Amino acid sequence: DAGVTQSPTHLIKTRGQQVTLRCSPKSGHDTVSWYQQALGQGPQFIFQYYEEEERQRGNFPDRFSGHQFPNYSSELNVNALLLGDSALYLCASSRGQGGTEAFFGQGTRLTVV
Amino acid sequence: AQSVTQLGSHVSVSEGALVLLRCNYSSSVPPYLFWYVQYPNQGLQLLLKYTSAATLVKGINGFEAEFKKSETSFHLTKPSAHMSDAAEYFCAVSALQGAQKLVFGQGTRLTINP
Repeated sequence: DAGVTQSPTHLIKTRGQQVTLRCSPKSGHDTVSWYQQALGQGPQFIFQYYEEEERQRGNFPDRFSGHQFPNYSSELNVNALLLGDSALYLCASSRGQGGTEAFFGQGTRLTVV
Repeated sequence: AQSVTQLGSHVSVSEGALVLLRCNYSSSVPPYLFWYVQYPNQGLQLLLKYTSAATLVKGINGFEAEFKKSETSFHLTKPSAHMSDAAEYFCAVSALQGAQKLVFGQGTRLTINP
């Protein structure tokens, strides 16, 4: 049983560019959440998708947007990249909005230069 | 609003010694609490969770944690440290029911001395 998979694993972008990160949830899971983990910090919640809609959002600007597809996979898009967007982006999946266990992927390391 | 404070950004113990990682939380609703472990260049792995059932929670790899409402604490312990326990540990509280919108602490780096 494949767990949560994220792609790509590493990415280097230039300031001002746009980036798309991808996540496939664990089998049987229908809810996807995205987190940003800056170096030396704990992860911070970006947003959550359930039934193809954004259900919860953290304190992130509109430059951060997402999408969930009918197969429950998800994308995170970041526009107008800033140096401060450099971080590990983690995807987590769970079963239903009230699921009591979130499984995390390995993350995508984004470096903005 | 929910928040988590992990006391000690770095903890060092000898192999075979007791591991104690401290976590205090603040929550406006009955909390769901979690401990995650992160090895270098990897994602987060769930160690254990408290979801309003038994206050002493047992997890994987010999770890356990006790929910103490009066102290708003959820400290993580392991009786005997192993070299493979060296990693970053994160305590998290859920802002909503279940594992949704997790609020993480800053993390504690655990080093094991031979």
